Amino acid sequence: TQLLEQSPQFLSIQEGENLTVYCNSSSVFSSLQWYRQEPGEGPVLLVTVVTGGEVKKLKRLTFQFGDARKDSSLHITAAQPGDTGLYLCAGARGSNYKLTFGKGTLLTVNP
Amino acid sequence: DAGVIQSPRHEVTEMGQEVTLRCKPISGHNSLFWYRQTMMRGLELLIYFNNNVPIDDSGMPEDRFSAKMPNASFSTLKIQPSEPRDSAVYFCASSLGPGEKLFFGSGTQLSVL
Repeated sequence: TQLLEQSPQFLSIQEGENLTVYCNSSSVFSSLQWYRQEPGEGPVLLVTVVTGGEVKKLKRLTFQFGDARKDSSLHITAAQPGDTGLYLCAGARGSNYKLTFGKGTLLTVNP
Repeated sequence: DAGVIQSPRHEVTEMGQEVTLRCKPISGHNSLFWYRQTMMRGLELLIYFNNNVPIDDSGMPEDRFSAKMPNASFSTLKIQPSEPRDSAVYFCASSLGPGEKLFFGSGTQLSVL
């Protein structure tokens, strides 16, 4: 059973377009993290959200944690080829070290 | 500033052989994690060490897998004997402590033929 479902699984867009990817669960998480992973590399942490309804911005990226702390979204404005990668969400429940990862959304931004 | 260093980057072996993956965490980090990534199952936590002590090995698939952390700057993940279903990318990650920001290595791509 996959606790964190990410959608879409694949997304291919043109440079300059906006996009939103989703991370959903039936479980409540104490915090949720978003990572970007490039080919041949490990995931790199982008942001951590901890409060229901929280919105965080990182340049052109906007992250939102659902009010019930069961879901999250990542919105990218004016996507660039450098945004290409696998976007992973990961939730923490209870213990502060154990993360449950989604399978990710593979984003390709074409020039 | 050196990040988490893993070796080898790629490993191709035959079924039944022993495989040893190596990890050097970031200096000063007290928590070390081994993850496995596959298309089917995504990223899964295999084992977690804190201050060189294994805290949670509930993700280790079976007795063929073992992990050690003899000191604060080195850890190994061993598979003996290896099987084709072990083929995956294995990541080591470290953090200052439990719940702190995770830093991943570049991974070891393991192929068991």
